[in-house]
Amino acid sequence: EVQLVQSGGGSVHPGGSLRLSCAASGFTFSNYELNWVRQAPGKGLEWISYISGGGETMYYADSVKGRFTISRDNAKNSLYLQMNNLRAEDTAVYSCVRVYSNYFDNWGQGTLVIVSS
Amino acid sequence: DIQMTQSPSTLSASVGDRVTITCRASQSISTSLAWYQQKPGKAPKVLIYKASSLESGVPSRFSGSGSGTEFTLTISSLQPDDFATYYCQQYGSLWTFGQGTKVDI
Repeated sequence: EVQLVQSGGGSVHPGGSLRLSCAASGFTFSNYELNWVRQAPGKGLEWISYISGGGETMYYADSVKGRFTISRDNAKNSLYLQMNNLRAEDTAVYSCVRVYSNYFDNWGQGTLVIVSS
Repeated sequence: DIQMTQSPSTLSASVGDRVTITCRASQSISTSLAWYQQKPGKAPKVLIYKASSLESGVPSRFSGSGSGTEFTLTISSLQPDDFATYYCQQYGSLWTFGQGTKVDI
């Protein structure tokens, strides 16, 4: 069974940093591209970052470019999102997502990030 | 960037109704479109991929159609478990979601 189990998140002041983690199991991790998606309270889904299977290629949404960094450790079957210079508008539930044939077939349970003074 | 516009934003329906949700892309995406269902507090679940292909395990009352810039998700006979929010997603160029359609009673 495919599992994506997230950790990290929590509450931080504006300008602060957080690191999210996503531990994968049930599939050959390095064979799959991964993404981070977020959902602000009461709002829709927003794609924010992509990483290729080998970790060589990354893409970011304009809303997080230059502040967030996606990475992965294929030896540990883990995906990460380093979030710096956080803003109030970054408050959201963040989910790691597996890519299959370019669409999203498996999602983590989501972790809430609150940016507030 | 490709923008996705869904309509309606909210849809009131009854059990047994035929329901149609529309999604429009700002430029052609061929059939690079997926539909997701999300229930409160839960992760989205893929229903349809490649515009009209039914994901394994998804009931056949769900169907998708369209290509280019115009797409539809149809629920042929709404069931109690189908009251949820539905999102379209393009994956022709990175990924973009529509704003969602809430289906309620």
